Amino acid sequence: NAGVTQTPKFRVLKTGQSMTLLCAQDMNHEYMYWYRQDPGMGLRLIHYSVGEGTTAKGEVPDGYNVSRLKKQNFLLGLESAAPSQTSVYFCASSFSTTGDYSYEQYFGPGTRLTVT
Amino acid sequence: QQQVKQSPQSLIVQKGGISIINCAYENTAFDYFPWYQQFPGKGPALLIAIRPDVSEKKEGRFTISFNKSAKQFSLHIMDSQPGDSATYFCAVASGSARQLTFGSGTQLTVLP
Repeated sequence: NAGVTQTPKFRVLKTGQSMTLLCAQDMNHEYMYWYRQDPGMGLRLIHYSVGEGTTAKGEVPDGYNVSRLKKQNFLLGLESAAPSQTSVYFCASSFSTTGDYSYEQYFGPGTRLTVT
Repeated sequence: QQQVKQSPQSLIVQKGGISIINCAYENTAFDYFPWYQQFPGKGPALLIAIRPDVSEKKEGRFTISFNKSAKQFSLHIMDSQPGDSATYFCAVASGSARQLTFGSGTQLTVLP
């Protein structure tokens, strides 16, 4: 199992450009999430999905859109990139179960995005 | 409103010492309290987690202490090792959406 993979690993954009980050998981997980990580601010939830065809807003959704057309993929789009979106983006997935670790999220390796 | 406050921001411990990281939360609806460990260039990974019906959980050298009345929980790393040097995040969760809200992180350095 590859787990959670993210494409690309690095990207530099100019202000106003658009791009899509791809997250893929091979664990048949129902839930998927997109976070951004900035120094001193931990990880903040951008959008999430509780199943194929569903999406919902997280803590910091402005400037981002998402789609989950297939259960294994979760796409994060930036329509018009801004310098404030310079960050490391992490995708995660989790599954429905019971017990102490029923909320465990499995994270990908991250995408480092710089907007100039 | 910051839902979970984590301290300290950074921590330096000698090998063999005890590392203690603290988190405080506001919302009593949270029902799951995990700690994640992140090494440079990697994504976070679950280290240990606790539910509010117990006051302590231990896994190897890692222990979570949970104080429901004070709305605080902490991570204790016993016999800290240089390989424990990483950033640690506490988090809180609730609800069927399984959303996590993370603390700001603690950068732990264990000196050899």
